[in-house]
Amino acid sequence: NAGVTQTPKFQVLKTGQSMTLQCAQDMNHNSMYWYRQDPGMGLRLIYYSASEGTTDKGEVPNGYNVSRLNKREFSLRLESAAPSQTSVYFCASLASGGSYNEQFFGPGTRLTVL
Amino acid sequence: AQSVTQLDSQVPVFEEAPVELRCNYSSSVSVYLFWYVQYPNQGLQLLLKYLSGSTLVESINGFEAEFNKSQTSFHLRKPSVHISDTAEYFCAVGASNTGKLIFGQGTTLQVKP
Repeated sequence: NAGVTQTPKFQVLKTGQSMTLQCAQDMNHNSMYWYRQDPGMGLRLIYYSASEGTTDKGEVPNGYNVSRLNKREFSLRLESAAPSQTSVYFCASLASGGSYNEQFFGPGTRLTVL
Repeated sequence: AQSVTQLDSQVPVFEEAPVELRCNYSSSVSVYLFWYVQYPNQGLQLLLKYLSGSTLVESINGFEAEFNKSQTSFHLRKPSVHISDTAEYFCAVGASNTGKLIFGQGTTLQVKP
């Protein structure tokens, strides 16, 4: 049982390049989330998926797209990376969208955009 | 709208001293409150949570937090800290029945020998 896994762990992009951050969970959780973490700002929600087949915008969705490929996987795509997207990205999952059980977090992806 | 404010960005403290990390929230509806801990270069781990019932909640490693509805606070305390408690601590409020979390800005706890 690996919990929540994220790939890659580190990535450096040039402005304008695209990439997809991958996230998978093996806990059979319904809901999944993408956050970004910036110094002094805590974690901010980018997008979330309450269940397979649904996605919704969070607090800071601009410049990102997501895909809930199946129940296990939730990917985050940067179509044209900008330096403002330099951040640490965390994926999380939750057993049920209507239940305040623990959100489980992945180890993060550290992204630098030059 | 809901929001969370962590009143201290950094808290330096000596080993074996008590510590309090402060968290205030605002919400127009019933809230669910969480403290997460992040050790260097790792993801977040749940430390403790308040959902309902007793307003004092405890973690397995000696931390406790008290939900105070009148003061809209959920401060985290530990009577005696260890070097290994050095980490960043995040307070969060459950935003709605979607399970979304609103995080505070984080407090870095630095425990010195």
